[in-house]
Amino acid sequence: GAVVSQHPSWVICKSGTSVKIECRSLDFQATTMFWYRQFPKQSLMLMATSNEGSKATYEQGVEKDKFLINHASLTLSTLTVTSAHPEDSSFYICSAAWDRNYEQYFGPGTRLTVT
Amino acid sequence: EDKVVQSPLSLVVHEGDTVTLNCSYEVTNFRSLLWYKQEKKAPTFLFMLTSSGIEKKSGRLSSILDKKELFSILNITATQTGDSAIYLCAAAPGGSEKLVFGKGTKLTVNP
Repeated sequence: GAVVSQHPSWVICKSGTSVKIECRSLDFQATTMFWYRQFPKQSLMLMATSNEGSKATYEQGVEKDKFLINHASLTLSTLTVTSAHPEDSSFYICSAAWDRNYEQYFGPGTRLTVT
Repeated sequence: EDKVVQSPLSLVVHEGDTVTLNCSYEVTNFRSLLWYKQEKKAPTFLFMLTSSGIEKKSGRLSSILDKKELFSILNITATQTGDSAIYLCAAAPGGSEKLVFGKGTKLTVNP
């Protein structure tokens, strides 16, 4: 149980374009979803926390207009990287939790490369 | 500021060895500590610890929490090459759904 999927697993886009990443909880309803990014050989950095039906809470230093998060249902959250630049190239990982349970289950991640 | 520190950052052992990974934490109103294993993709959940002194075990892996000294250890016995991964420790502060991650310990198990 507790399976989280992400789509796409890998995306290459040109500088200036926008990319949408989906995160789905497949067998449970996620009251909270989290978005992380991870640079090579570094730990996970939390970008934002989203609760279904409400606005995401962004971590300090994360531009909310650049990284748009939508949590429209209890099983789906999306992260849109707008006007992507090469420095946005990273590994983006979502996780999901339910009932304020601190066991976060992670998606497989999305590798974004901006050329 | 909430923080989690893991040690060592990197460890190389031979198959069959036993390893101990360390995690110390300082978080506001600590709720729980979690261990994850990260191979090439996203982390997979190993353990969640909330009570001091109670060992959690799964196969060759075990973990224990010391809330007085603010640390946890993850033990892996009879290591195998498939145990090679980055092991992440994360602490959950009270009143928050967020996790505070350590930088991880990169474990390499050589045949």
